[in-house]
Amino acid sequence: SQTIHQWPATLVQPVGSPLSLECTVEGTSNPNLYWYRQAAGRGLQLLFYSVGIGQISSEVPQNLSASRPQDRQFILSSKKLLLSDSGFYLCAWSFRASGGNTIYFGEGSWLTVV
Amino acid sequence: QKEVEQDPGPLSVPEGAIVSLNCTYSNSAFQYFMWYRQYSRKGPELLMYTYSSGNKEDGRFTAQVDKSSKYISLFIRDSQPSDSATYLCAMTDTGFQKLVFGTGTRLLVSP
Repeated sequence: SQTIHQWPATLVQPVGSPLSLECTVEGTSNPNLYWYRQAAGRGLQLLFYSVGIGQISSEVPQNLSASRPQDRQFILSSKKLLLSDSGFYLCAWSFRASGGNTIYFGEGSWLTVV
Repeated sequence: QKEVEQDPGPLSVPEGAIVSLNCTYSNSAFQYFMWYRQYSRKGPELLMYTYSSGNKEDGRFTAQVDKSSKYISLFIRDSQPSDSATYLCAMTDTGFQKLVFGTGTRLLVSP
C-alpha cells in the first residue's frame, strides 16, 4: 500500500527565516505530487504540483518555491518567511495514470511565523 | 462566482440523525467528484469517490451527484460523535491535473 510522510509536523519560525518542509511517498512510482496550503477558515489552496523529477508548476506567485529532487520526494521552501505564510501545509500525491482526480494527503505541517 | 460553493456551517446534529452535506458547482466539465473528511489539525482523508451522475453507497455514507443541477451531496446515516469533522467536497474534469475544492462544512454530532 501507499503511504505519504510529511515533516516537520509543527514549527514556529521568525519572520525572515528560511523554511523547508519535506514530503516523501512510498509504495508507488511516478506519482503526481502537490503542495497545498489551508489557512484558518479557508479552503485548500494549491501552491505547486509536479508530474516528474524537476518538473514544478506554480499556481500562486509568492515567496515560496518547490523542488522535486527524486521521484517520490517533494520539498517546499522559502528563503525568507512572511507573517502571511502562516498556515497548514499539506503534501499530497495521486497516481500518474489517473491524473489529479483522486488525491491522497499527508498529515500536514503547521507553520506559525512570528 | 467560485467554481465550487459549500456552506461552511457549523452544522450541529444529535447522535443518530441523518446528515446532508452539499456542494454546488459551476463548471459543467466536472466528471469526478470526491468527499474528504478532515479531523481537526489533520490532513484530509478520502471518504467517497464517484464518477459522473448517480449514487454510491459505502456503509453509513451515500454520495449523490446530480450533474443536471450541478449539485452533489453526502448523506450520513445514524451519525456518530466520531463523524464530527470538516467535510470537503472536491471535483475535477477528465484528465485534469488538479482538484477544485470546496471550503468545507464543519459537522458537530453531539452525544
